[in-house]
Amino acid sequence: KQEVTQIPAALSVPEGENLVLNCSFTDSAIYNLQWFRQDPGKGLTSLLLIQSSQREQTSGRLNASLDKSSGRSTLYIAASQPGDSATYLCAVKDTGGGNKLTFGTGTQLKVEL
Amino acid sequence: SAVISQKPSRDICQRGTSLTIQCQVDSQVTMMFWYRQQPGQSLTLIATANQGSEATYESGFVIDKFPISRPNLTFSTLTVSNMSPEDSSIYLCSVHGTGGLGSYNEQFFGPGTRLTVL
Repeated sequence: KQEVTQIPAALSVPEGENLVLNCSFTDSAIYNLQWFRQDPGKGLTSLLLIQSSQREQTSGRLNASLDKSSGRSTLYIAASQPGDSATYLCAVKDTGGGNKLTFGTGTQLKVEL
Repeated sequence: SAVISQKPSRDICQRGTSLTIQCQVDSQVTMMFWYRQQPGQSLTLIATANQGSEATYESGFVIDKFPISRPNLTFSTLTVSNMSPEDSSIYLCSVHGTGGLGSYNEQFFGPGTRLTVL
């Protein structure tokens, strides 16, 4: 059974810092991995999708990497801003798991002025 | 991408009652997914709804408790039946991207329905 863990559970940084969020998964047989952000009381916003054959994806100040063999992904946020404050979730889709996404419990990020 | 709307956005319900949540997508999709996010927990897939067939439920979820309808390719409903305080959660509808083959692998979520059961 796939399990996804995110560390740290919470993170507080001053504005302008570069930061890394971590995601690990127990079964390396994944089809893809997706990073989301969730604002309080809101739904999920898709940030980046990495296919199993890819090593990284970039969008603006965000860069996500994938090391499938070690069961890890990182989300790098450059020059953090207060507007980046949210909960960041990673989710994996297994190769044999149909269309189900298995989510981590998230990292709650606060970027302070 | 896909634009997804849900109704209601939130509700407070009494124990023993039922609530039906609606999900509308701006384009036709084959599959629609219903997830639950309990307080402080990660999201869990409840079921997959295909148009023209019965929904497929994940382990731990049953049709009597969470009946689903899928009358057409842009709409689905999830009912939370005979509610108890343990059903207090955010319920989210999700679909694959509809912008072509490249976007199909990406999954998008609606704004969610925040349910509180007293």
